Amino acid sequence: GAGVSQTPSNKVTEKGKYVELRCDPISGHTALYWYRQSLGQGPEFLIYFQGTGAADDSGLPNDRFFAVRPEGSVSTLKIQRTERGDSAVYLCASSPFVGETQYFGPGTRLLVL
Amino acid sequence: GIQVEQSPPDLILQEGANSTLRCNFSDSVNNLQWFHQNPWGQLINLFYIPSGTKQNGRLSATTVATERYSLLYISSSQTTDSGVYFCAVIESASGTYKYIFGTGTRLKVLA
Repeated sequence: GAGVSQTPSNKVTEKGKYVELRCDPISGHTALYWYRQSLGQGPEFLIYFQGTGAADDSGLPNDRFFAVRPEGSVSTLKIQRTERGDSAVYLCASSPFVGETQYFGPGTRLLVL
Repeated sequence: GIQVEQSPPDLILQEGANSTLRCNFSDSVNNLQWFHQNPWGQLINLFYIPSGTKQNGRLSATTVATERYSLLYISSSQTTDSGVYFCAVIESASGTYKYIFGTGTRLKVLA
């Protein structure tokens, strides 16, 4: 079946703009995770959802970052007033239930100019 | 929080050689997963292995949870094995299900 998909694959924006990144998990997966990966580093946790609710958002760097999953499937990561330091690859993963194998999407490469 | 260290940081192999990658973690874990990040950035799941041994073709992995380490074995390496290998763990005491990723091992296999 289809894997995790993320759109857009690349996003270039200007400092101060608002961006939305979308994640479509594997069908039937109840848990969804967001990570961020900077060049040369391992992925770092941002937030995860169990169903519609954010179970742990401790990795969000500040209140400019927000994520939703209103129907328990697709999730959107929203970044307000983007800064150059937000430039990274944003990765989404899903698992059948929390604590099970996580399957990653291809990522969205965000560049803030 | 838990620390996850991988060794070696960089590895260059001739095609056909075998290798062992190591992941050490500083506290008890519930979950451990090995990933291969290919040159295009895609994270590919290799093993979900919180304990014990698993094999999949030329790859195998062993986790000794009581001694806080995991090993990934690559046999008869191929150029397509090149990329970065990450282990990721979920800390038992964290009460959450977020992965903490290791520092990675960058592997290059030469033809």
